[in-house]
Amino acid sequence: SQTIHQWPATLVQPVGSPLSLECTVEGTSNPNLYWYRQAAGRGLQLLFYSVGIGQISSEVPQNLSASRPQDRQFILSSKKLLLSDSGFYLCAWSPIPADTQYFGPGTRLTVL
Amino acid sequence: AQSVTQLGSHVSVSEGALVLLRCNYSSSVPPYLFWYVQYPNQGLQLLLKYTTGATLVKGINGFEAEFKKSETSFHLTKPSAHMSDAAEYFCAVRSNDYKLSFGAGTTVTVRA
Repeated sequence: SQTIHQWPATLVQPVGSPLSLECTVEGTSNPNLYWYRQAAGRGLQLLFYSVGIGQISSEVPQNLSASRPQDRQFILSSKKLLLSDSGFYLCAWSPIPADTQYFGPGTRLTVL
Repeated sequence: AQSVTQLGSHVSVSEGALVLLRCNYSSSVPPYLFWYVQYPNQGLQLLLKYTTGATLVKGINGFEAEFKKSETSFHLTKPSAHMSDAAEYFCAVRSNDYKLSFGAGTTVTVRA
């Protein structure tokens, strides 16, 4: 069966520090991968999606970037965090584009 | 562009009462429709989905939803609420070849 992992589970970082969140999927190949953010009291905002290694589409211009160095690994990064980057970050995968997405447990990021 | 509207950001029901969460969508392609549930500090879990075929879809935890094309709706129901149903619920629609569009979410509170 397929599983999706995210780490760390929680993170507290100072403004201006770098960020690296990792997401990995097991039990499948060539998954479609997604990064979402949930700010407090708000819905899901799609940040990036990837249909293959090295193929990243950005949804919202911002302080973040994504990379997919391996087939089942998706990384969310920032060079300098802003207060507004605080939120709950969710990674998801789907076997078929625009079909069911399966979500990871999330990372709670607090920028102080 | 595809979009989802969830009517009511908060719904409060008594234990044992009907749960009804409303979702309306717009889509320029045959819709794939989804309902997800999110418990605090966790990722999203698929409740049910509609792609083609029978318009009444049964999901996990006793939930079901009916696709009504004429009304562009996909409302979620459960005949008898349980305390464990307290969570946030998201409706989603296939947005294009690669993405889903999510509604803003409805928080359900269950009163004893």
